[in-house]
Parts: sequence; C-alpha cells; structure tokens
Amino acid sequence: QSALTQPASVSGSPGQSITISCTGTSSDVGGYNYVSWYQQHPGKAPKLMIYEVSNRPSGVSNRFSGSKSGNTASLTISGLQAEDEADYYCSSYTSSSTRNVFGTGTKVTVL
Amino acid sequence: QVQLVQSGAEVKKPGASVKVSCKASGYTFTSYGISWVRQAPGQGLEWMGWISAYNGNTNYAQKLQGRVTMTTDTSTSTAYMELRSLRSDDTAVYYCARDSVGYCSGGSCYGEYYFDYWGQGTLVTVSS
Repeated sequence: QSALTQPASVSGSPGQSITISCTGTSSDVGGYNYVSWYQQHPGKAPKLMIYEVSNRPSGVSNRFSGSKSGNTASLTISGLQAEDEADYYCSSYTSSSTRNVFGTGTKVTVL
Repeated sequence: QVQLVQSGAEVKKPGASVKVSCKASGYTFTSYGISWVRQAPGQGLEWMGWISAYNGNTNYAQKLQGRVTMTTDTSTSTAYMELRSLRSDDTAVYYCARDSVGYCSGGSCYGEYYFDYWGQGTLVTVSS
C-alpha cells in the first residue's frame, strides 16, 4: 500500500489561506469518507484536526476545514497564524489488507 | 481527561525484540481500539496495526505481518506492541493512539478510522 501523495511544503503569510492536497485512489480516499488530518509540531505527537473528511473535533479552531473531490482530499487553513507552522498528514481508510494509510506529509511555513 | 502514557526509550541490538506499553486512562478502555503508528527519524507517519480493546481482534500492516504482535490487558487498561527481529530501519518513535474503531465482527468494523488521542511516543533505537 503506497502512501497518499501530499505536497512537500506549502507556505503563506499571516492572515492568508492555504490548502494542502492529499491524493489517493479509488481504494482509499476516493472510495470512502474516512479521511482524517493530523497536525504535528516538532518533537510532539500528532494531533487530530479533521475526521471523516470535514468534521472538526471539539477544541479545534474553525479556521481548519476539510473537503474531498474524487480521489483528492484537501485541508484548508484560513487566517493563517504563526502557531499553524507544523507538519500536516492526511490519513485514509483503505480497502487493502493494510487498513489505514498516511500521506507523505506537508510542511507548512508561515512567512 | 483522556491520556495515553507510553513506556520509556529502548536501545536494542539487531535481531532482538522490543515491547512497548501504552497505559490508557480517562475513558472506557474496551469501547475503543488502539492503533500503533511509527515515525522514523525525519520521516512521515506509518500505520503499524490496530487492536480491539473489546475482544483483542487485530489487523496488522502487511509489511509487518509475522514480526509484530499487539495485545491488551483490560485489567490495567494497557496496550502492548511487540516487534521482533529488529533491524536498523525499525529505529523510530513509536506512538499508540486511541482508534475510533472499537471492534470488528463478521467483516464489518464499527468506527470511523481516525485516531483522536495519542501517546507521547517511545523512541526505539536499533543499533549494534
């Protein structure tokens, strides 16, 4: 099972919006609404930001939103803030024998 | 509050085994699963497998089949991950995470395949 494809890096200025893509196949992202997104600061454990494509857990800022079209899911961060600088990973259920697959990861830089 | 507390760092020689623990608190342990995820230095996240804390059913990543065993002790709300025949490329931080899939039965799983709480991570170094 190959990792989902994410851009290596995305950057933006404070206050701007950025979007991170996560491309898979019909066996994972495109076939199921079980896409989740995780934020990871250096040296820290990942944190759940979005689940089931577009749902935000309690306590996560509404500046974070998720969507999906075909085999590509997206995470949008609006009103970019310095604290949003981190690595972001998508994850999806997959119908292969390896139940979950992560994306390659995207480093977000706030200019 | 939900907490997952993992055991401390380990240094192992190639060919040896390692067993990492993950003690859960703040929720009903048997209502959720536990997934294990690892991250090699400077690399991305890799899902290793899942265990139901309800009935002990497991689902392992294909590449680790035969080398990994996940277990739980419901009396202490603790999950364990054992990895055998260690190689240098097993050097990584190993995380446990609460998994929304609580159990599977008859080919169907009950949950949404996401990880909402994570342990602090355990560094496992494999070196001769």
